[in-house]
Amino acid sequence: DAGVIQSPRHEVTEMGQEVTLRCKPISGHDYLFWYRQTMMRGLELLIYFNNNVPIDDSGMPEDRFSAKMPNASFSTLKIQPSEPRDSAVYFCASSPQGALGGELFFGEGSRLTVL
Amino acid sequence: SQQGEEDPQALSIQEGENATMNCSYKTSINNLQWYRQNSGRGLVHLILIRSNEREKHSGRLRVTLDTSKKSSSLLITASRAADTASYFCASDMVDYKLSFGAGTTVTVRA
Repeated sequence: DAGVIQSPRHEVTEMGQEVTLRCKPISGHDYLFWYRQTMMRGLELLIYFNNNVPIDDSGMPEDRFSAKMPNASFSTLKIQPSEPRDSAVYFCASSPQGALGGELFFGEGSRLTVL
Repeated sequence: SQQGEEDPQALSIQEGENATMNCSYKTSINNLQWYRQNSGRGLVHLILIRSNEREKHSGRLRVTLDTSKKSSSLLITASRAADTASYFCASDMVDYKLSFGAGTTVTVRA
């Protein structure tokens, strides 16, 4: 398996623009997680899905952020409109059992810079 | 908010030496995991220790867990340059969520 695939790897955009980050989880994994990593706040869980259904989005910072999982092999994280403070590395991770059952498999991340 | 806190924040050692880092967490857990992150890359799972385990080994890694103190330690023996990375502990929270600490940055000097 190719692992968790994220795109784009790098995105530079201007404040106010819409940003869409994409993730393809490992086939057969029922759980998908979106994390954000910054120097100041470390790794923050934004939202996670189980069987394509959003279970907990309490970590989504505000209404400008939205995430979808239309099918088992694809998820998006959208920021509209983007702001400079959204600059971070966004990670997608998938897991066959969720955190209680075992490890998370991370993608390489999408580094977002909002100017 | 972060569940775990690592100590020290940074560690610099000579190749061949051992590296030890500690993690403290706040609430009861089912398991605790350690991950490694190389610069510019995603996190890679190293080892998982369950709440009813006290010690676990995997190759050059040794993890301990003390649930009474809500703490864990990761020992890397005979370090190599390739061990240079950031190391994170992660503890499970309710509802299948995993909360990560701030990480320990380890530099192994050749």
